[in-house]
Amino acid sequence: DTEVTQTPKHLVMGMTNKKSLKCEQHMGHRAMYWYKQKAKKPPELMFVYSYEKLSINESVPSRFSPECPNSSLLNLHLHALQPEDSALYLCASSQDPSGGDTQYFGPGTRLTVL
Amino acid sequence: ELKVEQNPLFLSMQEGKNYTIYCNYSTTSDRLYWYRQDPGKSLESLFVLLSNGAVKQEGRLMASLDTKARLSTLHITAAVHDLSATYFCAVGKTGNTPLVFGKGTRLSVIA
Repeated sequence: DTEVTQTPKHLVMGMTNKKSLKCEQHMGHRAMYWYKQKAKKPPELMFVYSYEKLSINESVPSRFSPECPNSSLLNLHLHALQPEDSALYLCASSQDPSGGDTQYFGPGTRLTVL
Repeated sequence: ELKVEQNPLFLSMQEGKNYTIYCNYSTTSDRLYWYRQDPGKSLESLFVLLSNGAVKQEGRLMASLDTKARLSTLHITAAVHDLSATYFCAVGKTGNTPLVFGKGTRLSVIA
């Protein structure tokens, strides 16, 4: 099973809402990632979890709050977002937390903030 | 700081033709990746190149790595419409450092 799953596929939310994105992998990978991708741009790294601990936070605003409940699950909690946060949010996982390993990407959640 | 440059950023090519996409990076690295992304979709891993002189081929795509020149190429042979997509290279290093992506090459194959 080389699949990373993400839910929901699409999400529309207002600026005062609280929502969560979910990501799951059952490949036994020990590193999980959140990326943000705007249209026609490369993915931008947001967070890295290594062995369920946050290891990299790329200066992401606090309205994005990651959580790794266990080695297979990764959440991204959203609160008080801005319209400019509308983007495709991609989750990825890799076997090797030391970095540089192949990252397998999920299908993404397309987020629209009104 | 590791920087990754791809060129061209846009490529329109005729079916049946050959072309090469280039990926340059600024500091030493021990891993280079090529990904494909279709519009509105996620990234699909194409190739992982781990050593100088590495060459990998899958169908009409062939990727190579020259670590001394800090250059990877993605060669397209006899393009077909199904290859139309955006192709990203990404560079990584062993150690707790994130991948750095190039800006992507948007490829359009026309009849």
